[in-house]
Amino acid sequence: GDSVTQMEGPVTLSEEAFLTINCTYTATGYPSLFWYVQYPGEGLQLLLKATKADDKGSNKGFEATYRKETTSFHLEKGSVQVSDSAVYFCALSDPFTGFQKLVFGTGTRLLVSP
Amino acid sequence: DSGVTQTPKHLITATGQRVTLRCSPRSGDLSVYWYQQSLDQGLQFLIQYYNGEERAKGNILERFSAQQFPDLHSELNLSSLELGDSALYFCASSVVGNYQETQYFGPGTRLLVL
Repeated sequence: GDSVTQMEGPVTLSEEAFLTINCTYTATGYPSLFWYVQYPGEGLQLLLKATKADDKGSNKGFEATYRKETTSFHLEKGSVQVSDSAVYFCALSDPFTGFQKLVFGTGTRLLVSP
Repeated sequence: DSGVTQTPKHLITATGQRVTLRCSPRSGDLSVYWYQQSLDQGLQFLIQYYNGEERAKGNILERFSAQQFPDLHSELNLSSLELGDSALYFCASSVVGNYQETQYFGPGTRLLVL
């Protein structure tokens, strides 16, 4: 079945450091890929998405490129802020299933210190 | 604010009881999804409705049921509650349920079964 693998957290960085959170996936079809962010005590918010190979999603300084050859969708940001501290979820939606359900990774907690 | 509302925000109940969680989708969205977030299982898809009809089922227990009403709001009913049902329950919505669409999540209902 479909699955998403994310790097274990927490990821601890100092403000202005470079961020990478790795995400790889397994899917039957060619899925759409998403990054969601969950701030403490809140629901999930879409951060960015990509719907086909080589697409780059970007938002709020975060970027991720859909790499079909490596089945990856790594999240990057050039300079993190304290306000970026949250849990980040990589997810996929596979057209092969015939309906839209999101399959999530386990989440990666990011802690940014001043 | 995603535009998806969920009530109640918190729910504390006892084993064996039954509860109902309510969700109102974003204006114009026809598709509603329910997800469960727990420490041991992570984020798991439960069920999807589209315009009042069940479209897909995921890892939903037989003790759980859901429905979507003509005004498109949805309810998730959890019965014969067990300690292990304690979790955060999210509702999400999208326009039609296409695999490329963004799902917008509500703030969640935190259920604690004692």
